Amino acid sequence: AQSVTQLGSHVSVSEGALVLLRCNYSSSVPPYLFWYVQYPNQGLQLLLKYTSAATLVKGINGFEAEFKKSETSFHLTKPSAHMSDAAEYFCAVSRMDSSYKLIFGSGTRLLVRP
Amino acid sequence: DTAVSQTPKYLVTQMGNDKSIKCEQNLGHDTMYWYKQDSKKFLKIMFSYNNKELIINETVPNRFSPKSPDKAHLNLHINSLELGDSAVYFCASSQELSAGGSSPLHFGNGTRLTVT
Repeated sequence: AQSVTQLGSHVSVSEGALVLLRCNYSSSVPPYLFWYVQYPNQGLQLLLKYTSAATLVKGINGFEAEFKKSETSFHLTKPSAHMSDAAEYFCAVSRMDSSYKLIFGSGTRLLVRP
Repeated sequence: DTAVSQTPKYLVTQMGNDKSIKCEQNLGHDTMYWYKQDSKKFLKIMFSYNNKELIINETVPNRFSPKSPDKAHLNLHINSLELGDSAVYFCASSQELSAGGSSPLHFGNGTRLTVT
C-alpha cells in the first residue's frame, strides 16, 4: 500500500530564506507524486506533480520538487521565501495503475518570519 | 468562475440531526470525491464517483450517503450527526479515472461542519 510521510508538522523560515519541506513516500509500484498548498479557509491547490517524466519538477509560485527514487523522496523547495508562502503544504501519492485514490501526508505548516 | 463549489460553507447543527452538503463542478470532469479533513488537518478520502458510479467507499459509516445525480454534482447526506463528525469536508474532482493516476484533484473551498 502507498503511504506518504512528511517530516516536520511545522517549518519556520525567515523571509528570503530557502524553503525545504520534506516528503518521503512508500509505494510498491511507480508512483505519481503531488504537492498541494492550502491557504487558510480554502481548499487545496495543486503546486506541482511528478508523473515519471523529468525528475525535477517546477511548479507555481517558484516552487520545485525533485523525485529521488533511491531515497524515495519528493522534497519541495523554494529558493527565497515570501510572506505569502505561509500556508499548509501537503504531499500526496497515487499509483500509476489506479488513479482513483490519492493518499495525503499529514501536512506541514510553513511559517514565514518577516 | 468557481470550478468546484460547495454549499454551505459553514454548517452548525445539533447531534442527531440530518444534514446535506452539495457540490458542483463546472470543469467537465468525470470523477468526483469527498474528503474529510480533521482538526489536525489530516485528509482522508471518503467516497469517489466516476460518471455517477460509486468507485470508492472507504469504511465510512452508513450514516454518510453520497448521491450523484449527474457527473457534475456529488452531494453528501449525513444522518444522525455525531460529535465526531465535526470536520471540514472537501469536495474535489479530477479529469479521469482510468489507469494513469496523473490527473490532479481540483478542490472546493470546504464545508466546516460543527456538531454540538
